[in-house]
Amino acid sequence: SAVISQKPSRDICQRGTSLTIQCQVDSQVTMMFWYRQQPGQSLTLIATANQGSEATYESGFVIDKFPISRPNLTFSTLTVSNMSPEDSSIYLCSVPGRGPLGLHEQYFGPGTRLTVT
Amino acid sequence: DQQVKQNSPSLSVQEGRISILNCDYTNSMFDYFLWYKKYPAEGPTFLISISSIKDKNEDGRFTVFLNKSAKHLSLHIVPSQPGDSAVYFCAATRSIYNQGGKLIFGQGTELSVKP
Repeated sequence: SAVISQKPSRDICQRGTSLTIQCQVDSQVTMMFWYRQQPGQSLTLIATANQGSEATYESGFVIDKFPISRPNLTFSTLTVSNMSPEDSSIYLCSVPGRGPLGLHEQYFGPGTRLTVT
Repeated sequence: DQQVKQNSPSLSVQEGRISILNCDYTNSMFDYFLWYKKYPAEGPTFLISISSIKDKNEDGRFTVFLNKSAKHLSLHIVPSQPGDSAVYFCAATRSIYNQGGKLIFGQGTELSVKP
């Protein structure tokens, strides 16, 4: 399985500010994914980040709010811009697995717990 | 529109007994189903999966059952151990998402296994 780290592990931010979350993988991967888990809710896919191309955003998520960078095959960042309390969530990155299900079996980072006051 | 639902937010089981976690889905086009386990302050960990062409998949103490007609799947843990205490997420996807990535998750069920 892939080893994934995220920074910061948690943060408390003021509304109106932005936070950039880093995701580092121990091996080269073509795709990286960013998820959000709001309090008491399920994990929701924000976007897919491919190296060398623009990220693909899911319905309800826009690039201006969640800009993503993917400078190389082991690293990605997600920025939560102009934050409001509704952005308080756990943000997780993941990469495709290498098991029998391949891409469907994803490995997740430990998450970044964001609180917006 | 919650396409994957876990209607039990919590479950408490005695050590050594069976734990049964349930999941319902609405989209008949899903063809892969997965279970993840999540400990506090950690990311979800892949546990077991099943393809829609099967009705059962077993891996040690963990068995997943799929009932396509009822759009229902369940995870059985036998025997349950205190270390199994965690939040369990059911997830579903479609093979046409050939780029991968679009896992649809349920809300999770918190399992507590008491010694």
